[in-house]
Amino acid sequence: DTGVSQNPRHKITKRGQNVTFRCDPISEHNRLYWYRQTLGQGPEFLTYFQNEAQLEKSRLLSDRFSAERPKGSFSTLEIQRTEQGDSAMYLCASSLAPPVAEQYFGPGTRLTVT
Amino acid sequence: ILNVEQSPQSLHVQEGDSTNFTCSFPSSNFYALHWYRWETAKSPEALFVMTLNGDEKKKGRISATLNTKEGYSYLYIKGSQPEDSATYLCAYPSGGSYIPTFGRGTSLIVHP
Repeated sequence: DTGVSQNPRHKITKRGQNVTFRCDPISEHNRLYWYRQTLGQGPEFLTYFQNEAQLEKSRLLSDRFSAERPKGSFSTLEIQRTEQGDSAMYLCASSLAPPVAEQYFGPGTRLTVT
Repeated sequence: ILNVEQSPQSLHVQEGDSTNFTCSFPSSNFYALHWYRWETAKSPEALFVMTLNGDEKKKGRISATLNTKEGYSYLYIKGSQPEDSATYLCAYPSGGSYIPTFGRGTSLIVHP
């Protein structure tokens, strides 16, 4: 397995546009997480999936954000009507059973909203 | 909101210096404590998973200790090298779903 991949690596968009990011986890991992990271902060939890079920969402995840993981494989994170405050690094991670299992992170998608 | 604190926020050392940083976390309902290293333009990479009070783990020149009773973990780097330059993050899983709360990280820069 080549690890967790994310696409695109960078995205520049204009305010008000919709964007979608993709994450391909390690195939045998049943947990998939999305995080947002801004300068000077650690990764902040957005949402996670156990197989195809989205089991928890952070209050950070406004109704403009939606995530899916069809068939428990890859996941997408969509942001509608982007705002400048959405500019951040969006990280995806996958793991086996927590709390002991380490997370494997993708390289992230850097979003810039102009 | 859980309090996972890391200190210092940043650290500049010379090659060959030994250094350490701290992660503090709530001492109740402890499950595990994770350390990650995040080099610029790369993915965060797991270093250690600490589970037992008094745990000490080592990987090359990097080691970590855990005190669950007082709620802290130390990460030590012996004889720092420029390639150790990275942000070091700790993460504390909690709640029924074990969602990790990350600290802000310690940014380490090792000058040759």
